[in-house]
Amino acid sequence: KAGVTQTPRYLIKTRGQQVTLSCSPISGHRSVSWYQQTPGQGLQFLFEYFSETQRNKGNFPGRFSGRQFSNSRSEMNVSTLELGDSALYLCASSSSGATNYGYTFGSGTRLTVV
Amino acid sequence: QKEVEQNSGPLSVPEGAIASLNCTYSDRGSQSFFWYRQYSGKSPELIMFIYSNGDKEDGRFTAQLNKASQYVSLLIRDSQPSDSATYLCAVKSGAGNMLTFGGGTRLMVKP
Repeated sequence: KAGVTQTPRYLIKTRGQQVTLSCSPISGHRSVSWYQQTPGQGLQFLFEYFSETQRNKGNFPGRFSGRQFSNSRSEMNVSTLELGDSALYLCASSSSGATNYGYTFGSGTRLTVV
Repeated sequence: QKEVEQNSGPLSVPEGAIASLNCTYSDRGSQSFFWYRQYSGKSPELIMFIYSNGDKEDGRFTAQLNKASQYVSLLIRDSQPSDSATYLCAVKSGAGNMLTFGGGTRLMVKP
């Protein structure tokens, strides 16, 4: 069974640019969440999608957005990149809508903003 | 503001010893509790989850939950050098699948 696939693995962007990251969940998983991990702030929740609807959103500015497609694949977009957006972006999928189970994380996309 | 607190460590234990990792959380309505292991440069890997008071055992790992004290812990028996990693405590509250993570405890198991 394939795991959670994130692309690309590494990305270097310039301040002011925008970026789109992709996540393909485990087959059959309908819930996809995105997290940002930095050394200073740790793992912080960005947003969660379930059946193409955003169900939860963390405390990030509107520059961070996402969407989910009918096949459960998800994308997140960051516009007007800032140096502080440099981080590991992790996607995680879950099998249940009202779950007591944890997520399976993808390998992440490491974004560097220069 | 929902908070999850962990001692950042490092926690150093000799090989074969029991490692005890602790986590406290602020939201009394929290429903489920998870322990993830993260090796340097890798993504978090789920070790265990627990949602009822008491102990839950899986191999060398035991998760303990005390909702009255808002406390969850992870015991690793017969610690191995390969257990050296950062252990993340995560808490689920409310609807949906949002997890709030602690800052992680770095564990070092010395041969």
